[in-house]
Amino acid sequence: NAGVTQTPKFRVLKTGQSMTLLCAQDMNHEYMYWYRQDPGMGLRLIHYSVGEGTTAKGEVPDGYNVSRLKKQNFLLGLESAAPSQTSVYFCASRHERGRTGELFFGEGSRLTVL
Amino acid sequence: KQEVTQIPAALSVPEGENLVLNCSFTDSAIYNLQWFRQDPGKGLTSLLLIQSSQREQTSGRLNASLDKSSGRSTLYIAASQPGDSATYLCACQFYFGTGTSLTVIP
Repeated sequence: NAGVTQTPKFRVLKTGQSMTLLCAQDMNHEYMYWYRQDPGMGLRLIHYSVGEGTTAKGEVPDGYNVSRLKKQNFLLGLESAAPSQTSVYFCASRHERGRTGELFFGEGSRLTVL
Repeated sequence: KQEVTQIPAALSVPEGENLVLNCSFTDSAIYNLQWFRQDPGKGLTSLLLIQSSQREQTSGRLNASLDKSSGRSTLYIAASQPGDSATYLCACQFYFGTGTSLTVIP
């Protein structure tokens, strides 16, 4: 049972390049989340999904797009990367059951934009 | 929007001391609160999850309490050890505080 898996774990981009981060969970969770973590800022919610085919904006959605075509996968895309998007990105998932479910996190993806 | 605050931002204590970390939130209509630990450069490890109907949860030397009416949660660590040194984060549903960086001095 792998839990929540993020790929890639490390990536370096040049300004203006695009990329996609993949989050996969094998726990049949309905809810999935993408966060970014910057020094001294805690975790800030970028986008989230409450089920297959649905997405919603979080606190800091600008510059990012997401898709949830399959229940187990949640993709985070950067269409034109900027240095301000240098960060560590975390994916999380939880079961919707009674909305009381525990959050499970991936190991993180460290992105550097030059 | 839920605002989550953790005070203090940093805390240093001698080994063996009992300590309390604080978490406050603005919207009391939460359905759970979760405490995490994060080591430098690592991911988040879940410590305790408190449902909105509960007042506290315990795991080993850790005890977390929840007071929805006052918008507060505390994480109590008993008999602290150097291995407890890490950043502790609280999350109200899916909104996070900025964490408390704990250093336990041998």
